Amino acid sequence: DGGITQSPKYLFRKEGQNVTLSCEQNLNHDAMYWYRQDPGQGLRLIYYSQIVNDFQKGDIAEGYSVSREKKESFPLTVTSAQKNPTAFYLCASSLDYGYTFGSGTRLTVV
Amino acid sequence: AQRVTQPEKLLSVFKGAPVELKCNYSYSGSPELFWYVQYSRQRLQLLLRHISRESIKGFTADLNKGETSFHLKKPFAQEEDSAMYYCAPILTGGGNKLTFGTGTQLKVEL
Repeated sequence: DGGITQSPKYLFRKEGQNVTLSCEQNLNHDAMYWYRQDPGQGLRLIYYSQIVNDFQKGDIAEGYSVSREKKESFPLTVTSAQKNPTAFYLCASSLDYGYTFGSGTRLTVV
Repeated sequence: AQRVTQPEKLLSVFKGAPVELKCNYSYSGSPELFWYVQYSRQRLQLLLRHISRESIKGFTADLNKGETSFHLKKPFAQEEDSAMYYCAPILTGGGNKLTFGTGTQLKVEL
């Protein structure tokens, strides 16, 4: 069935390591987004991509990188430059204004 | 600066009581406004969109351009309404990026 899949559900990272979060959709949506969710701060936009091979920085892009080589996939790399990476990460895709969200990845730095 | 404000972090009401979740926005253009909901252990999902003027699960939201508000209302709260609610504007012509408020946790007590 159609949807958006994020993996893994839980991820533990040692300080100083880069880690990549996966986001795949089979909805044929052009646009994809990465949000970070922290308690009391709502969702903040990290990166977004409106079309393959193009992406834009969101409000909190520092310490993150993305790629959009395929329409279906929009992986997010949390680099060692991200000072406070422990958070819940949500991926979304959209056609027009309707967003579909993944189930999220909880990243913990240990 | 573009901004969306949800002043209440937590709203607790009794079952059967009216509910109003507040949302104020400050946008220079003409935003389209949405309410998203996240039930416990479920994905973030669209509740309603102002342009459709629908009533979903008994909730309605009226866009008040004079007060720049988009409050979510329901006349009689149900236990299953307990969830996290996010107000989210999109600035038309701004790349369809959703900007989320900090969210309001609604708790409906018996």
